[in-house]
Amino acid sequence: EPEVTQTPSHQVTQMGQEVILRCVPISNHLYFYWYRQILGQKVEFLVSFYNNEISEKSEIFDDQFSVERPDGSNFTLKIRSTKLEDSAMYFCASSAEGAGGYTFGSGTRLTVV
Amino acid sequence: AQSVSQHNHHVILSEAASLELGCNYSYGGTVNLFWYVQYPGQHLQLLLKYFSGDPLVKGIKGFEAEFIKSKFSFNLRKPSVQWSDTAEYFCAVRSGGATNKLIFGTGTLLAVQP
Repeated sequence: EPEVTQTPSHQVTQMGQEVILRCVPISNHLYFYWYRQILGQKVEFLVSFYNNEISEKSEIFDDQFSVERPDGSNFTLKIRSTKLEDSAMYFCASSAEGAGGYTFGSGTRLTVV
Repeated sequence: AQSVSQHNHHVILSEAASLELGCNYSYGGTVNLFWYVQYPGQHLQLLLKYFSGDPLVKGIKGFEAEFIKSKFSFNLRKPSVQWSDTAEYFCAVRSGGATNKLIFGTGTLLAVQP
């Protein structure tokens, strides 16, 4: 079964540093997403991406966040200057259609110290 | 604002017991409804989804869910749970229209005792 792959599985970074979380969506999927889950809280939508541009973003997705599809296979989330409250599990997802069920990756646990 | 409520935060059952996890959402228009499962240390996996048609939806691993529009509910059921069903279960809603984002509930942690 096709999978969404995320790397690294766990990243520790110092406050103020930039991090890039990487994702390889399923190859024939066209819609890409980032979600996050702070420990003990619900999974929250960050951003959706289609046709090489952001199609929707949440209030959480402020100027310190950016997404990119640098080539035909990767989809990245960059956090420019990390804060303690950015510590969370970040999930990438992709879907073939906008209204379909997603396939999620296994997540990157980001710890900001 | 749209929201999803899962009233059972932690459920403990013995093997072979029946399961019902509640999910209610607040949105008056057309919705797509999902249940995801997250086994320990693994990613979110789609259990089942409802878009239209028969309100009783069957998913993988013997799970089913019933959409009751009048109650804004999409409860998950399984007649007989197994130890391997121990996981966290998330209900999610996508409202109709241009948005593709999912709104998740807080999750229900299910522990099945052998």
